[in-house]
Amino acid sequence: EPEVTQTPSHQVTQMGQEVILRCVPISNHLYFYWYRQILGQKVEFLVSFYNNEISEKSEIFDDQFSVERPDGSNFTLKIRSTKLEDSAMYFCASSEATPQAGDTQYFGPGTRLTVL
Amino acid sequence: RKEVEQDPGPFNVPEGATVAFNCTYSNSASQSFFWYRQDCRKEPKLLMSVYSSGNEDGRFTAQLNRASQYISLLIRDSKLSDSATYLCVVNNETGANNLFFGTGTRLTVIP
Repeated sequence: EPEVTQTPSHQVTQMGQEVILRCVPISNHLYFYWYRQILGQKVEFLVSFYNNEISEKSEIFDDQFSVERPDGSNFTLKIRSTKLEDSAMYFCASSEATPQAGDTQYFGPGTRLTVL
Repeated sequence: RKEVEQDPGPFNVPEGATVAFNCTYSNSASQSFFWYRQDCRKEPKLLMSVYSSGNEDGRFTAQLNRASQYISLLIRDSKLSDSATYLCVVNNETGANNLFFGTGTRLTVIP
């Protein structure tokens, strides 16, 4: 069964450093997403991406965040200057169509980001 | 105002029991509804979509009441492997791609 993959599984960084989280969505999917989950809290939407551009973003996704699809398979989330409060599990997801069309999002295993 | 509200639990039930989870959502324009399950420190995995007419998948039954903005999940004949956190998930409005998650309801099935 095809699945979303993410690397690394765990990233430790110093405050102020840049990090890039990587995702490989399911190959025939067209919509890509990043979510985060702070320990003990709910999953929160960050950004969605379609046709090589951001389609929606939340208030969390400020100027410190960016996304990119550098090639035909990878989808990345960059945090330019990490803060302590960026520590969380970051999930990548992909879908063939939108939730509105009844399609579902499939989540990767996540990258645990720890900012020291 | 929380977009999706769930009773956090925990629910501790014996094997074989029937358990029901409830969820309310705030945006009447929401179009798509799902139940996901999340095991400890793992990713959310789709359990089932929720349709207006209600739907069943084996031991799991989901119901949607649009008038009350209420979603439910019923699990019959609980198994130990059902122990997880159950997430009520809503697509916020027409055309929106993002999902809003509830905080989840923790279920532990006891032998």
